[in-house]
Amino acid sequence: EPEVTQTPSHQVTQMGQEVILRCVPISNHLYFYWYRQILGQKVEFLVSFYNNEISEKSEIFDDQFSVERPDGSNFTLKIRSTKLEDSAMYFCASSAWGANEKLFFGSGTQLSVL
Amino acid sequence: AQSVTQLGSHVSVSEGALVLLRCNYSSSVPPYLFWYVQYPNQGLQLLLKYTTGATLVKGINGFEAEFKKSETSFHLTKPSAHMSDAAEYFCAVTHGTASKLTFGTGTRLQVTL
Repeated sequence: EPEVTQTPSHQVTQMGQEVILRCVPISNHLYFYWYRQILGQKVEFLVSFYNNEISEKSEIFDDQFSVERPDGSNFTLKIRSTKLEDSAMYFCASSAWGANEKLFFGSGTQLSVL
Repeated sequence: AQSVTQLGSHVSVSEGALVLLRCNYSSSVPPYLFWYVQYPNQGLQLLLKYTTGATLVKGINGFEAEFKKSETSFHLTKPSAHMSDAAEYFCAVTHGTASKLTFGTGTRLQVTL
């Protein structure tokens, strides 16, 4: 089965630093998502992306966050100035037809902000 | 607004016993409902989904769920638990194509000998 790949699997950064989390969605998918899961808590929606623009974002996704699809294959999440509370597992997901169909999730990037 | 509530953060069953994981949803429009499973150190995988049509949906690994509109429920069941079923299970709801998927808090299933 096709896979969504995420790099790196673990990222450690200092508070205030910028991080970029990278994702390669499944090649023919059109809808892209970022979710995060703080340890012991539920999976939270951050942002959805379609047709080269953000289609929906949560209140978590403030000005410190941005997403980009710089080429035809990558989908990135940038956090400009990380905070301690940004420590979480970040999941990228993609779908051919949107959230009402199957989402394919990557295995995540564990971000630790020190 | 849409939301899901999963009753029981931890469920423990014996191998071979019935698995029942509860999910209730809230949605102002007809919902699309999902169960995802997360094995340790992995991303989420789709178990099954309900969009329209038959209210009893079958998924992978012998799981099934029934959509009950009158009870706003979408409980997940499996007749006979296997050790490999031990994982975290998330119920989720959406109502549109590009709309976000909203997850419940998850239920950790433990299977004992």
